Amino acid sequence: DGGITQSPKYLFRKEGQNVTLSCEQNLNHDAMYWYRQDPGQGLRLIYYSQIVNDFQKGDIAEGYSVSREKKESFPLTVTSAQKNPTAFYLCASSTGTGDTQYFGPGTRLTVL
Amino acid sequence: EDQVTQSPEALRLQEGESSSLNCSYTVSGLRGLFWYRQDPGKGPEFLFTLYSAGEEKEKERLKATLTKKESFLHITAPKPEDSATYLCAVQAATSYDKVIFGPGTSLSVIP
Repeated sequence: DGGITQSPKYLFRKEGQNVTLSCEQNLNHDAMYWYRQDPGQGLRLIYYSQIVNDFQKGDIAEGYSVSREKKESFPLTVTSAQKNPTAFYLCASSTGTGDTQYFGPGTRLTVL
Repeated sequence: EDQVTQSPEALRLQEGESSSLNCSYTVSGLRGLFWYRQDPGKGPEFLFTLYSAGEEKEKERLKATLTKKESFLHITAPKPEDSATYLCAVQAATSYDKVIFGPGTSLSVIP
């Protein structure tokens, strides 16, 4: 079955630590995205990538980093510079830029 | 500034009681409008894409419509399993590499 997987489902981090969230897709999609979801707010775009080895900052990129070394994978690192990282993180992909986005199951990150 | 609002914030319906959710948007040229359903603790599930005013799409008990300034998600004779948060998102013609999401409407259908 084609789809998007995210791991882990739950992640706990101590203050000052960097953590990496995994996102893999087997849909052969070119574009991939990372969003953050907080209660009562819409999804906010962190980073997106339209093609391998290229990515762009979204609206809230500060304190986050990404890489796109393979078409199937788009990991997100939440660095210690992110002041309020506790949130639900969603990865999405689309056939190409501007096409319908399909989402993974999400990772809930909690800072202890 | 491109913006998406949704109303109501929360809606409680009796099973079988039809209603509509609203998505209002301001963008510099609409390229597409998307509806998603999200269950608690899960990723959004794609429902519909609408591209032009007057367009309608249906799926089971759901029908989405689009005008020049807003979209409606009509729910006919809802069932408890329709309970979820419904998200609206828009894509501007001038920045089609991104979509802007609204805050969502939380729907509860009571048996």
